[in-house]
Amino acid sequence: DAGVIQSPRHEVTEMGQEVTLRCKPISGHNSLFWYRQTMMRGLELLIYFNNNVPIDDSGMPEDRFSAKMPNASFSTLKIQPSEPRDSAVYFCASSFQGGFGNQPQHFGDGTRLSIL
Amino acid sequence: SQQGEEDPQALSIQEGENATMNCSYKTSINNLQWYRQNSGRGLVHLILIRSNEREKHSGRLRVTLDTSKKSSSLLITASRAADTASYFCATGNYGGSQGNLIFGKGTKLSVKP
Repeated sequence: DAGVIQSPRHEVTEMGQEVTLRCKPISGHNSLFWYRQTMMRGLELLIYFNNNVPIDDSGMPEDRFSAKMPNASFSTLKIQPSEPRDSAVYFCASSFQGGFGNQPQHFGDGTRLSIL
Repeated sequence: SQQGEEDPQALSIQEGENATMNCSYKTSINNLQWYRQNSGRGLVHLILIRSNEREKHSGRLRVTLDTSKKSSSLLITASRAADTASYFCATGNYGGSQGNLIFGKGTKLSVKP
């Protein structure tokens, strides 16, 4: 079975450029999560969707960050304009929430983003 | 906000030894989960323990949960070099709707052959 697929795996770009990260969740999952991981701050939840609807974006650092989920099989995280402090590994995860309790999340292998 | 806090931050053991990692949390939970992260990869779910359970086993993994102390432990028995990874606890909270989990900062385990 295909897991969560993220692209690109690595991205190096200059500050000020627009960056778009992509995620394909596991088919049938109804929740999707975007995380950022750095040595200093650990794993931070940026935003999550349920049934394609953004539920909580309080973790989005600032207006330069935006996320969309136009359908159940695709999501994007966009940074515009990018800054060096955005350098991190960005993970997408999905889960199926159908009953009581928080279900296990399935993670992609991340996008390693470097802003020069 | 940080919920789970793992202890120790780093652990180095010899192959064959047992490894114990601890997690403390702050608010009421509906379950607690442990994940593993190998270098350069995403997190992988290992085991889930519900708030009404006290102990759970999966292969060489043993997880305990003490809701009165708001703590959990992960024991890996007979460790192998392939167990070298970072281990995270994550909590699902009452009122944390739609599946949100809160992750700790992890324990980095190194198993020397």
